[in-house]
Amino acid sequence: SAVISQKPSRDICQRGTSLTIQCQVDSQVTMMFWYRQQPGQSLTLIATANQGSEATYESGFVIDKFPISRPNLTFSTLTVSNMSPEDSSIYLCSVETSGASYEQYFGPGTRLTVT
Amino acid sequence: AQTVTQSQPEMSVQEAETVTLSCTYDTSESDYYLFWYKQPPSRQMILVIRQEAYKQQNATENRFSVNFQKAAKSFSLKISDSQLGDAAMYFCAYAPGESQGNLIFGKGTKLSVKP
Repeated sequence: SAVISQKPSRDICQRGTSLTIQCQVDSQVTMMFWYRQQPGQSLTLIATANQGSEATYESGFVIDKFPISRPNLTFSTLTVSNMSPEDSSIYLCSVETSGASYEQYFGPGTRLTVT
Repeated sequence: AQTVTQSQPEMSVQEAETVTLSCTYDTSESDYYLFWYKQPPSRQMILVIRQEAYKQQNATENRFSVNFQKAAKSFSLKISDSQLGDAAMYFCAYAPGESQGNLIFGKGTKLSVKP
């Protein structure tokens, strides 16, 4: 299993500013993912972050808006840039662990409110 | 494109009774994985059960079991002996075989458990 922590757990930000969310895992993992969960909605994958390479973004998400870093095998950050109220969501990171049976674990999420 | 459909926005069950949550999906792939995740009000995503498409046997985890009908592309979750702690949002998710990280989620079913 993997234990994942995220910082901050929640924040209230003004439009036009940026927020960086940190994701820390207690073990080395190859693949990390960032999801967005808009209010009352399901989860949507933003991007896949592999260590040592550029993040891969899903349709509708761009690097300028959601830059991602992955400096090592236990850590990643997601920045939400130039925020607008539409960015108010829960942002979750997840990791995929390899082995005999693949498992995927999620962090507790960061609740972002943009005013 | 793959899609996941949960047709029951809300469900209710009496404590100690059994409830079944429905999920259908669409894919042209032969190799994939299916998951049920639970998201309580704490918003932590918890993996409940997973099913590999190549396995005919239905997955079981204690009080949770699935009815996997590959030809019908159906993946329902049965919760037996429901407990108050089972109350949560339940998300059905699909992932292609090469990477389980790229999860595609359904819209979720809100389960209430009545004492």
